[in-house]
Amino acid sequence: DAEITQSPRHKITETGRQVTLACHQTWNHNNMFWYRQDLGHGLRLIHYSYGVHDTNKGEVSDGYSVSRSNTEDLPLTLESAASSQTSVYFCASMRGDSSTDTQYFGPGTRLTVL
Amino acid sequence: QQQVKQSPQSLIVQKGGISIINCAYENTAFDYFPWYQQFPGKGPALLIAIRPDVSEKKEGRFTISFNKSAKQFSLHIMDSQPGDSATYFCAASLSGGSYIPTFGRGTSLIVHP
Repeated sequence: DAEITQSPRHKITETGRQVTLACHQTWNHNNMFWYRQDLGHGLRLIHYSYGVHDTNKGEVSDGYSVSRSNTEDLPLTLESAASSQTSVYFCASMRGDSSTDTQYFGPGTRLTVL
Repeated sequence: QQQVKQSPQSLIVQKGGISIINCAYENTAFDYFPWYQQFPGKGPALLIAIRPDVSEKKEGRFTISFNKSAKQFSLHIMDSQPGDSATYFCAASLSGGSYIPTFGRGTSLIVHP
């Protein structure tokens, strides 16, 4: 069955370190997204991609970067982790053909920055 | 600017009761309104969705009511069960654009047995 996976599921790091969160989907979806979820803020879009070599900034992109070298993967990098980036991160994918497409979310990565 | 406003932030309901979550949107170009359900420790998953050409959509105990003139839509959970305890997100998206959903901030629902 097609799926979307994230790794690691839990990560503890220190302020200033570079961290990369992995996201892999097997639906062959064009569109992929990264969100962070914080209490009281819901899901906030960090970055998204419409296809290979395409990346776009979302509403909370500062301090984050992504790259899309193939259809299946969209890794999220925190260049220099900050305590404000402690959060739960969700990757999602979507076929991208219409507004009625469903977003499929991964299980999430809980990141703690000490 | 919050384009989709969701309320309440949290909701406690007794088993068998009706849970109601409301959302209001601003962009009249939105033409697809999905609801996502998220259980603790899991990612959100599509629960039910509606297009603005209908006023109501029902799937089992879950019903979306849509009021286009008021730019509001709501999720009703009939005969709420403890297994319905989750966070619910409303969203809105539009054709001809990026198709990226705009999410509400979520409602944490607890159904007491």
